[in-house]
Amino acid sequence: GQSLEQPSEVTAVEGAIVQINCTYQTSGFYGLSWYQQHDGGAPTFLSYNALDGLEETGRFSSFLSRSDSYGYLLLQELQMKDSASYFCAVRSSGAGSYQLTFGKGTKLSVIP
Amino acid sequence: EAGVTQFPSHSVIEKGQTVTLRCDPISGHDNLYWYRRVMGKEIKFLLHFVKESKQDESGMPNNRFLAERTGGTYSTLKVQPAELEDSGVYFCASSQEPGTASYEQYFGPGTRLTVT
Repeated sequence: GQSLEQPSEVTAVEGAIVQINCTYQTSGFYGLSWYQQHDGGAPTFLSYNALDGLEETGRFSSFLSRSDSYGYLLLQELQMKDSASYFCAVRSSGAGSYQLTFGKGTKLSVIP
Repeated sequence: EAGVTQFPSHSVIEKGQTVTLRCDPISGHDNLYWYRRVMGKEIKFLLHFVKESKQDESGMPNNRFLAERTGGTYSTLKVQPAELEDSGVYFCASSQEPGTASYEQYFGPGTRLTVT
């Protein structure tokens, strides 16, 4: 089967840096995605890593180590609006489909 | 460009009734996915359409769930008869052809289904 582990909750101060880790066990691995979801909203794509290394997009960066089955999302210069749930998701191939398998999500609370 | 839309946003039905959820993907996206999040659990894959064909329905929980995508545009997910454990948020997502560099799945806001 496939499984992903990520912390359930993280609290950080506005302006600080926070790292959300994700470990996974999966077959047919293609890459690791990160999604942000505000309460009641749609999951919104943040980043995707198919190869080892760091991908940077503005204040957000994502890292992948395929050999360690590990990745993380790094949020810098935290803002109050970053308070949301963050999901890591493995993109895998099964039956010709590129489905996403999600972790349970990390609820990030940014405090003043 | 309009995003993925879903209808209704909320639905409350009684056990044994039928509900049909609708998803309109982003125009031009051949790939359409259904996911479900039951309270306290992770978002789980249900099935994947490529145009009007079911590419992968390995996540469908049982035969009470029927998904269609006639004409390869919008999709419907029907639950008949609904059971209490079907309560949750049903998300639809769409993406461009997997063979391209565009791997991002764009999600709709979801339909919150409550079965009482």
